[in-house]
Amino acid sequence: DADVTQTPRNRITKTGKRIMLECSQTKGHDRMYWYRQDPGLGLRLIYYSFDVKDINKGEISDGYSVSRQAQAKFSLSLESAIPNQTALYFCATNQYSNQPQHFGDGTRLSIL
Amino acid sequence: DQQVKQNSPSLSVQEGRISILNCDYTNSMFDYFLWYKKYPAEGPTFLISISSIKDKNEDGRFTVFLNKSAKHLSLHIVPSQPGDSAVYFCAAAKGGSQGNLIFGKGTKLSVKP
Repeated sequence: DADVTQTPRNRITKTGKRIMLECSQTKGHDRMYWYRQDPGLGLRLIYYSFDVKDINKGEISDGYSVSRQAQAKFSLSLESAIPNQTALYFCATNQYSNQPQHFGDGTRLSIL
Repeated sequence: DQQVKQNSPSLSVQEGRISILNCDYTNSMFDYFLWYKKYPAEGPTFLISISSIKDKNEDGRFTVFLNKSAKHLSLHIVPSQPGDSAVYFCAAAKGGSQGNLIFGKGTKLSVKP
């Protein structure tokens, strides 16, 4: 079983729809992250959380929101999806800042 | 403004030879550097890291070199194998940044049999 699980793996939706991407982890890590990858670009940080009561904006948070429902769960929402949010989305976790982040397999999101 | 740059989008190497992937950074506050490997339809997987107090870290076929004065790091893979074909991302973090990584755009490595 994967340590970091993202659902759904693929999603096609229409402009204006509300979308939620979910991430769950079994590693027991406190820190969780959401990234976005666009073709030819690296991963860019959207939001991150260091514990259940902590939410922080990343580099590109506009148009997104997150919820940390439990230590193991971190969801990303697009309140009103737009086509330029079409991308590959990754969730990641780690326990300490000097440790590597562990990534899920990603959600491919297409907004028409 | 890109703080972590991987200027080669792609690299092709013959099996058994050395692969050298390069990464440059602009922020002198970065003190922790990582390399990730990514296969299609999978998430990035951690490969190797180096702290700024070191100039080299080795793990099997993979070695990372850090040149702080040049703000440059490189990943050497020796010998290269076809299974190493993937996209490699360089990432960097600042001390006290609580783990926020800045990624380069990646280099696609192709190892030919």
